[in-house]
Amino acid sequence: NAGVTQTPKFQVLKTGQSMTLQCAQDMNHNSMYWYRQDPGMGLRLIYYSASEGTTDKGEVPNGYNVSRLNKREFSLRLESAAPSQTSVYFCASSESGNLPLDGYTFGSGTRLTVV
Amino acid sequence: LAKTTQPISMDSYEGQEVNITCSHNNIATNDYITWYQQFPSQGPRFIIQGYKTKVTNEVASLFIPADRKSSTLSLPRVSLSDTAVYYCLVGTYSGYSTLTFGKGTMLLVSP
Repeated sequence: NAGVTQTPKFQVLKTGQSMTLQCAQDMNHNSMYWYRQDPGMGLRLIYYSASEGTTDKGEVPNGYNVSRLNKREFSLRLESAAPSQTSVYFCASSESGNLPLDGYTFGSGTRLTVV
Repeated sequence: LAKTTQPISMDSYEGQEVNITCSHNNIATNDYITWYQQFPSQGPRFIIQGYKTKVTNEVASLFIPADRKSSTLSLPRVSLSDTAVYYCLVGTYSGYSTLTFGKGTMLLVSP
């Protein structure tokens, strides 16, 4: 099925460890996004990539880095995890950021716990 | 982008029609309105989008008055499976933009 695939689905890290969250889409979308969602909160944009080769900061980029590896893949890296980064991370894609009539397609999320 | 305000929660019963209203008083000419649905442990899912008047699809209807300062998502004859968080968002047609999600409205449908 076409869509956005995120790996892993669950992860527990110790404070200070690093890890990379992977995201891939097979819809030939140009734009990709990383959001985090904390309990009782809406989603907050971490980073986005308007097109292959470009990345930009969102609302809460501190502590994260991203790589748009190719048109399909957009990864999120935590260099030194902190308990404040405990959250559910969602990757999304859209055909473009201009007039996204079909909206964003989201992955199923990665639940990350930092202890 | 215009800020949106919607109720934190709503309750309904199966078979009823549910209307969730969102206010966006500062909506600009180039802005459109989008609604997403999120089930527990899942990512949000696009439901419907519109600019003015009424839009209907197989899932919901979106009513937007002439002044566009508010919009109403209408879910006909809800079922238990419609229990979810519903987000109202405003995006712009003018250039590249990203979507900003608020806290949404938690809809609880009871038997």
